[in-house]
Amino acid sequence: DVKVTQSSRYLVKRTGEKVFLECVQDMDHENMFWYRQDPGLGLRLIYFSYDVKMKEKGDIPEGYSVSREKKERFSLILESASTNQTSMYLCASSGLADSYEQYFGPGTRLTVT
Amino acid sequence: EDKVVQSPLSLVVHEGDTVTLNCSYEVTNFRSLLWYKQEKKAPTFLFMLTSSGIEKKSGRLSSILDKKELSSILNITATQTGDSAIYLCAGFTSGTYKYIFGTGTRLKVLA
Repeated sequence: DVKVTQSSRYLVKRTGEKVFLECVQDMDHENMFWYRQDPGLGLRLIYFSYDVKMKEKGDIPEGYSVSREKKERFSLILESASTNQTSMYLCASSGLADSYEQYFGPGTRLTVT
Repeated sequence: EDKVVQSPLSLVVHEGDTVTLNCSYEVTNFRSLLWYKQEKKAPTFLFMLTSSGIEKKSGRLSSILDKKELSSILNITATQTGDSAIYLCAGFTSGTYKYIFGTGTRLKVLA
């Protein structure tokens, strides 16, 4: 069973704080993704990574950065949180061994006040 | 620009009804189409379709891909209240390993 875990289910931060969201997968997947999901806007890709230390911008990378130092871990960083970054953040992974079926973590609901 | 469009946006049915959800795609270097069910949490994987015309089934759910029409359908027979959810489809592109998501169909099944 693919397991994608995220460090927090709920998080409340203040404007201007630096926020770290961690994601870990245990299936040796090459690809990892960070999305945000907002009502009416669907899932939007922030960043993805297809290998260790590799990263690619998605559709909405502004205000975010990522880090992938180990294959199983992909971190999303909000350098200076703002209220418009209040959202549900979803991590996902996929790999050749699973024919690129993409699996999601449980999500982190982030509120920035 | 790559895009995936789902229809209808929302649907209300009664238990026992059969529903058909639609997904059309324009995805460069298209490799596969994925369906997910999302209740009040993260999306859970339902199907991945790679070949045209081959139906995939899981219980009361089934799905098929039509590469000629650039579309897919998800059928749910004998719906139950537990089928109430948002159903997402996504096109997977082998060029960039990205998944292009539609905005989803919100299904509500009434008892």
